[in-house]
Amino acid sequence: QVQLQESGPGLVKPSETLSLTCTVSGGSVSSGSYYWSWIRQPPGKGLEWIGYIYYSGSTNYKPSLKSRLTISVDTSKNQFSLNLSSVTAADTAVYYCARGWYGDYTYYFDSWGQGTLVTVSS
Amino acid sequence: EIVLTQSPGTLSLSPGERATLACRASQSVISGYLAWYQQKPGQAPRLLIYGASSRATGIPDRFSGSGSGTDFTLTISRLEPEDFAVYYCQQYGSSPLFGQGTKLEIK
Repeated sequence: QVQLQESGPGLVKPSETLSLTCTVSGGSVSSGSYYWSWIRQPPGKGLEWIGYIYYSGSTNYKPSLKSRLTISVDTSKNQFSLNLSSVTAADTAVYYCARGWYGDYTYYFDSWGQGTLVTVSS
Repeated sequence: EIVLTQSPGTLSLSPGERATLACRASQSVISGYLAWYQQKPGQAPRLLIYGASSRATGIPDRFSGSGSGTDFTLTISRLEPEDFAVYYCQQYGSSPLFGQGTKLEIK
C-alpha cells in the first residue's frame, strides 16, 4: 500500500520560501495515471488544492498561486517537492501531499500524507 | 471556473439516523470527476466515494453517493459514532477543486 510522508520546516519567515518534500513509499512516482498533488488547509478552514505534477515533469498550478509556486519531481528518490516563494501569514496551513488517480473520466485523491503544519511568522 | 457549494454547513443528527449531504456545482460536472472525502480532527482526509457513486476500498456500505449534472448527494444510511466528521466533495474540471465542507455533528 502506498504511503506518503511530508517533510520540511515547520516555521518560515514572511517573504521567504516555503519548501516541502513528499517521500513516496510502497509505490512509484513514475506510475502512469497518477498525478502528485499538494493540498493545504489553513487552521479551522477547508481544503485548497495547490498544484500537481506528473512524473514526466508536467505541472498544473492553482492560478492564484502560479507566480509563486514551483512543484518538482525526483523519480530517482521517489519524491516530489513544493516551493512557495514570498510567503505571508495567509500561507500558514497544514500542507498535505496526495496521490491523484486520473483516468477513464475520473479523478480522485486515493492516498494522502499525514500533513505537516507550516507557520509563517517572524 | 466551477464553484462547489456544500449544504448544509453543519448537520446535527443522532447515531442511527440517516444523513444526507449535498454538493451543488455552478455548472454541469462529469459524474466521474465527483468524489467525497471524510476528515476527522487532526487527520488527513479519507476517500469515501469516487465517480459520484463508487465506494472506495474498505468503505462501509452505509455510505452511498448519487447525483449527476450539478447536484450530488452523499448519504449515510445509519450513522455510527465514528461517522461524525467533516465531509468534502471534490470535482475535477481543468484542475481539482473542493467544496467548503459539511460538518456532521452529534445532536
